[in-house]
Amino acid sequence: NAGVTQTPKFQVLKTGQSMTLQCAQDMNHNSMYWYRQDPGMGLRLIYYSASEGTTDKGEVPNGYNVSRLNKREFSLRLESAAPSQTSVYFCASGLSVQYEQYFGPGTRLTVT
Amino acid sequence: AQSVTQLDSQVPVFEEAPVELRCNYSSSVSVYLFWYVQYPNQGLQLLLKYLSGSTLVKGINGFEAEFNKSQTSFHLRKPSVHISDTAEYFCAANAGGTSYGKLTFGQGTILTVHP
Repeated sequence: NAGVTQTPKFQVLKTGQSMTLQCAQDMNHNSMYWYRQDPGMGLRLIYYSASEGTTDKGEVPNGYNVSRLNKREFSLRLESAAPSQTSVYFCASGLSVQYEQYFGPGTRLTVT
Repeated sequence: AQSVTQLDSQVPVFEEAPVELRCNYSSSVSVYLFWYVQYPNQGLQLLLKYLSGSTLVKGINGFEAEFNKSQTSFHLRKPSVHISDTAEYFCAANAGGTSYGKLTFGQGTILTVHP
């Protein structure tokens, strides 16, 4: 099993550009999550999907959109990137919402 | 709102010494607690979890944690650390109920093991 995979690993964008971060899991998990990690702030939840067909905002959703494409895939879109979105983005999945989450390797995004 | 506080941002320790990384949480409802480890340029790996039952939880790599409801703490311990334990450690809580699925993370503790 590959677990949780994310693409790309690195990305540099100019302010105003758009992009989509891809995430897939092969563990048959119901719940999927997007976090951002910034120094000294731990991880903050951007959006999550408790099950296929549902999505909900987390702590810091502004400037992002998500799509739960199917049970395996959960994408994060930046419509108009801003320097404040420079961060490391992690996707995670879990069997259901009350249990532990498993994380992907991350995408390091720089917006100039 | 749920909050998680890791009381030390950095903990230096010598190899083979014991270590404790402290975590406090705030919650008025049942809570699920987790410790994750992050090695440089990698994702987070689950060390251990408390969902219910015994308050002493054992995890991977010789780590253990104790859930203390009265003190709202979930401190991580290891009796003898190795150089390879050098990493950043995150405490996280899932409050359940209407907040279910929303893991709240502490700010992280960087453990540095010196030879």
